[in-house]
Amino acid sequence: ETGVTQTPRHLVMGMTNKKSLKCEQHLGHNAMYWYKQSAKKPLELMFVYSLEERVENNSVPSRFSPECPNSSHLFLHLHTLQPEDSALYLCASSQDLYQPQHFGDGTRLSIL
Amino acid sequence: SQKIEQNSEALNIQEGKTATLTCNYTNYSPAYLQWYRQDPGRGPVFLLLIRENEKEKRKERLKVTFDTTLKQSLFHITASQPADSATYLCARDMDSNYQLIWGAGTKLIIKP
Repeated sequence: ETGVTQTPRHLVMGMTNKKSLKCEQHLGHNAMYWYKQSAKKPLELMFVYSLEERVENNSVPSRFSPECPNSSHLFLHLHTLQPEDSALYLCASSQDLYQPQHFGDGTRLSIL
Repeated sequence: SQKIEQNSEALNIQEGKTATLTCNYTNYSPAYLQWYRQDPGRGPVFLLLIRENEKEKRKERLKVTFDTTLKQSLFHITASQPADSATYLCARDMDSNYQLIWGAGTKLIIKP
């Protein structure tokens, strides 16, 4: 398997649930990213990891919690989400920071 | 703050013609601009990167230009095909930082 794989592809959860999004990259890249994409809006960068260290946290609410256990895996832990958090969550990786990014196909998240 | 503006209206082009998409940026010139393609239900796919000191970049039927006077990048697809129908995203670097500032994308529809 190659590229960037995200699971699950779709997720429906209640506001009080706890769930996790998973991202795995098979490209040997050193940087990984989480983005939020809402309809007709630009991609919003949420978190960046480089060599497994978090290098950016763009004022994301604490109900989103990232985890990068190794250079191939990235998680986004979710709890007590709000309806406005419904969106497509995209994971990306790049060889290093400043390099073009390779994206997964995202997790479509719906908050009831 | 830096911004990227792309035409929010869909662009309809007849098959075989050249499609031209526009990306306008504000404030000072970025060190580089990137173009991505995004199909429905999929993540963005990197197409081309053009640097500030490059006027033009080509890849097969794709051509990107960078005009620092107009603060604009143009993305051209020659001999367009229905398979080129997608949303095209433009992104710039932020203050020579690795973070990207994204446009909301322009939907391109190639009619047979």
